[in-house]
Amino acid sequence: AQSVTQLDSQVPVFEEAPVELRCNYSSSVSVYLFWYVQYPNQGLQLLLKYLSGSTLVKGINGFEAEFNKSQTSFHLRKPSVHISDTAEYFCAVRGGTASKLTFGTGTRLQVTL
Amino acid sequence: DTGVSQDPRHKITKRGQNVTFRCDPISEHNRLYWYRQTLGQGPEFLTYFQNEAQLEKSRLLSDRFSAERPKGSFSTLEIQRTEQGDSAMYLCASSPPPWREGNTEAFFGQGTRLTVV
Repeated sequence: AQSVTQLDSQVPVFEEAPVELRCNYSSSVSVYLFWYVQYPNQGLQLLLKYLSGSTLVKGINGFEAEFNKSQTSFHLRKPSVHISDTAEYFCAVRGGTASKLTFGTGTRLQVTL
Repeated sequence: DTGVSQDPRHKITKRGQNVTFRCDPISEHNRLYWYRQTLGQGPEFLTYFQNEAQLEKSRLLSDRFSAERPKGSFSTLEIQRTEQGDSAMYLCASSPPPWREGNTEAFFGQGTRLTVV
């Protein structure tokens, strides 16, 4: 079984500041890792994914994440946030041959002027 | 490709009534998933179809819940005798066959928000 821990439920940040949203996972098998974004009353949109290869993954809207196997982490970063980045961000893992995703509880990113 | 479509977007029902939601996946996606998301939580897996076969069901899926995908295309999720605890966002997702696109991400619909009063 897999599990995901998002350490911060809310992250307030000023516009144009950098941000890091933390994600740690637990799994007994190799994993695929994902970050999704959810705007109010909307479904989830994929930001980026790690399947294999380079541990630094670049996604949409200027986001990137780094897979760290030894620390079982997949933290999401953006060097300069915008007001429009205000949303809920979910880290998710799919392990081995499983098809379903296991999600964390989410991090609310609140960007202010 | 219009994405994953869910209907209705919102549903308010009285406790004890039955409700049915529909999901139309992206064409050629043979895998379809249902998730439930309550306020302040991440989505939780309910069930998974590969073509018309229901291959996995979560323990969250009580006897009052039933899902079908009769022709391997659209899917329905029915909740019988709704309870206030069923109030949530119900999300549908689809993904391509594993031999395409490296068996990667699921594409989500916009969800159906159910409120049981």
